[in-house]
Amino acid sequence: DGGITQSPKYLFRKEGQNVTLSCEQNLNHDAMYWYRQDPGQGLRLIYYSQIVNDFQKGDIAEGYSVSREKKESFPLTVTSAQKNPTAFYLCASSMFGIMVSGGHEQFFGPGTRLTVL
Amino acid sequence: DQQVKQNSPSLSVQEGRISILNCDYTNSMFDYFLWYKKYPAEGPTFLISISSIKDKNEDGRFTVFLNKSAKHLSLHIVPSQPGDSAVYFCAASRQAAGNKLTFGGGTRVLVKP
Repeated sequence: DGGITQSPKYLFRKEGQNVTLSCEQNLNHDAMYWYRQDPGQGLRLIYYSQIVNDFQKGDIAEGYSVSREKKESFPLTVTSAQKNPTAFYLCASSMFGIMVSGGHEQFFGPGTRLTVL
Repeated sequence: DQQVKQNSPSLSVQEGRISILNCDYTNSMFDYFLWYKKYPAEGPTFLISISSIKDKNEDGRFTVFLNKSAKHLSLHIVPSQPGDSAVYFCAASRQAAGNKLTFGGGTRVLVKP
């Protein structure tokens, strides 16, 4: 059955280490997105990709990197340059450029909670 | 600079009554608006959306109203049920900017039995 998977659900990292969060979708969606949610706040866009081998910075890209080598996969690396990486990370996908059910719905994965020790 | 704002961080409502969630935006170029529901430690799920060419869209218990002149949208849930207790986010997008969504800060809804 189709959907978006994120792994792992919980991740612990020591300060100064890079860590990669996985996001896979089998919805045949063109576009994929990474968001970050902090307690009591909304979702903020980190990076997005509208097509394979292309991606753009979102509002808070500093300290993060991504790749889009396959349509199904959009991994996010949290680098040691990210000053406050502890947060809930959400991956999403959508049919870019096509009005599905009238618009731009994004479908979200279950999220990964990253804690820096 | 918050382009999408939800000024009420929380809302408490009795089961069976109406829940009204509000959202304001500043960017007049937004042409599509969405509402998402989120439970703790889960990803948001899409609820309902509205194009800027409409002023109302209804889907079962959920109705979204859009007032473009006031740059305001609202979500009505009637009747409210205990399972509706969650955080609700409004989001906005511009077709010219692809499917990038700008989210509000969320409103936590508690439906009391």
